[in-house]
Amino acid sequence: GESVGLHLPTLSVQEGDNSIINCAYSNSASDYFIWYKQESGKGPQFIIDIRSNMDKRQGQRVTVLLNKTVKHLSLQIAATQPGDSAVYFCAELRLSGGYNKLIFGAGTRLAVHP
Amino acid sequence: NAGVMQNPRHLVRRRGQEARLRCSPMKGHSHVYWYRQLPEEGLKFMVYLQKENIIDESGMPKERFSAEFPKEGPSILRIQQVVRGDSAAYFCASSPQGANRGYTFGSGTRLTVV
Repeated sequence: GESVGLHLPTLSVQEGDNSIINCAYSNSASDYFIWYKQESGKGPQFIIDIRSNMDKRQGQRVTVLLNKTVKHLSLQIAATQPGDSAVYFCAELRLSGGYNKLIFGAGTRLAVHP
Repeated sequence: NAGVMQNPRHLVRRRGQEARLRCSPMKGHSHVYWYRQLPEEGLKFMVYLQKENIIDESGMPKERFSAEFPKEGPSILRIQQVVRGDSAAYFCASSPQGANRGYTFGSGTRLTVV
């Protein structure tokens, strides 16, 4: 079936290092891919998105890369900080039943150590 | 702009009782979505509503669960005769028409069935 999934469930990094969180997807028809950050006890928070016709998009300290050939999405966080510790979800916005349906992957926990 | 408001934040119910979860969308948003998140898992789509209409309930269990978004007032997710397996975090999200850049999420209601 169609799904959005992740390679690594947990990622531990040192403060100041760069982090890379990966995600695989199987549905080629999605129009947007989105990364969300979820801190403990909170709802998902939008980080950055990328349209399916793009390869790369940069934000503040974050970069999302999309490789449509291998159906792979990644989130790069530069100079990781303790406040980046959270669970990160990739999600795809897929046209389904006449509307844009948001479908989540399983999540990667990022732990930043001082 | 208060964002998506959910209440209560925490809800404890005994088996067999009813749980009512409320969600007020962001100002200007007319589309509401409910998701369920089990511990250490991703968010699973449950239902999508517009004012007075259920658009997609493909993720809702067939029994005991219902949702509404009346003309006036918040959206309500109702779980009748709760069981321990209903214990989860329930997130509401909202979007404007089209939702082509994802949804905005509330902080969730954590339901515990004892």
